[in-house]
Amino acid sequence: DQQVKQNSPSLSVQEGRISILNCDYTNSMFDYFLWYKKYPAEGPTFLISISSIKDKNEDGRFTVFLNKSAKHLSLHIVPSQPGDSAVYFCAASELRGSSNTGKLIFGQGTTLQVKP
Amino acid sequence: NAGVMQNPRHLVRRRGQEARLRCSPMKGHSHVYWYRQLPEEGLKFMVYLQKENIIDESGMPKERFSAEFPKEGPSILRIQQVVRGDSAAYFCASSPGQGNEQYFGPGTRLTVT
Repeated sequence: DQQVKQNSPSLSVQEGRISILNCDYTNSMFDYFLWYKKYPAEGPTFLISISSIKDKNEDGRFTVFLNKSAKHLSLHIVPSQPGDSAVYFCAASELRGSSNTGKLIFGQGTTLQVKP
Repeated sequence: NAGVMQNPRHLVRRRGQEARLRCSPMKGHSHVYWYRQLPEEGLKFMVYLQKENIIDESGMPKERFSAEFPKEGPSILRIQQVVRGDSAAYFCASSPGQGNEQYFGPGTRLTVT
């Protein structure tokens, strides 16, 4: 049962343009969402997060949008740079009681290629 | 400020041997998580520990796998009697508190021959 889904295995964009990575989830108890970037043979690097009380969070070139009614989030990277080429994972955290357990549920990842 | 440290980076074991994977969290972090990534898949949660306590082990296989985070020293993920299906990348993450963003180590790539 895949609770977090990234339906696009890959995405290719031109340098300077916007990259939009999408993520859907099924568990309405998720209340904290994160995006990670991963290079081959390295661990995931935290990029940006958003709480379910917000619908947008921005950090430099990265913006995450959350649509709770659609159970959908997206990561926008603008402008895209060749160094952004990596696998991007979205992750969600379950709510249990009054606080998160800390357990992250990951999507399968989307490989982004930014062409110079 | 050193990040999350994992060792070894690569580990080769024959079927039936034991594998021990170590994780030192970031300075000031007392929450440790272990995840496994099988080839062509996303990361799957295994276990969540605080110092001397297992908080959530719902993702850990019931047999052969164990984890600890002692008062002193690194967190250890132990796999007894390894099988080929245990071959994967094992990632450790730490956070300063429950519900915060998690910071990952470089991973240990376990190969069972």
